[in-house]
Amino acid sequence: QVTLRESGPALVRPTQTLTLTCTFSGFSLTTSGMCVSWIRQPPGKALEWLARIDWDDDKYYNTSLKTRLTISKDTSKNQVVLTMTNMEPVDTATYYCARTTGLLAAALRFDPWGQGTLVTVSS
Amino acid sequence: SYELTQPPSMSVSPGQTASITCSGDKLGDKYACWYQQKPGQSPVLVIYQDTKRPSGIPERFSGSNSGNTATLTISGTQAMDEADYYCQAWDSSSAIFGGGTRLTIL
Repeated sequence: QVTLRESGPALVRPTQTLTLTCTFSGFSLTTSGMCVSWIRQPPGKALEWLARIDWDDDKYYNTSLKTRLTISKDTSKNQVVLTMTNMEPVDTATYYCARTTGLLAAALRFDPWGQGTLVTVSS
Repeated sequence: SYELTQPPSMSVSPGQTASITCSGDKLGDKYACWYQQKPGQSPVLVIYQDTKRPSGIPERFSGSNSGNTATLTISGTQAMDEADYYCQAWDSSSAIFGGGTRLTIL
């Protein structure tokens, strides 16, 4: 059974850096073709993809947020970490991690998703 | 930047067919996925690679993708299908989501 769980602070002050951890089980990020992505959803709004890290340590970022994001993995701990710098109130959202797999890069899918963690940015 | 457009909402009666569209430039040349999200829950994959259903997803869910439009079809809709639905595709190594469609079962 594949599971993912996000963890991190519920409240972040403006200008601070957010660090989120995705701890997963049921698969390995050393397996060829395996990836993990981060996706967020502001309250009442649509999903927004943030970043992806692949089994071979390739990394991909949302072009609009690229300068603020860093994704990394610790395969020994089955964890993926996302940092986002210079947090603002508009970054308030539920942040999800999801296993990302597929036969082709253009056909990758997010399945399953973690439960999500709500991050509020406020002073 | 690439965009996917969905109708914000639609409604159907129980037992009817719901067709949710997702439009994007030459979307048919890409692979589309669909996710279902119920209130307070995480999204769930219901269709991938345009037409494939993950294990555990009912057969009443189907997908198609051609030209500029991908379509999620739910045949014989049930009350449990009331949810937000999001389409998604990849463009230049970035995942793009549509704005979501709220499906109401009247």
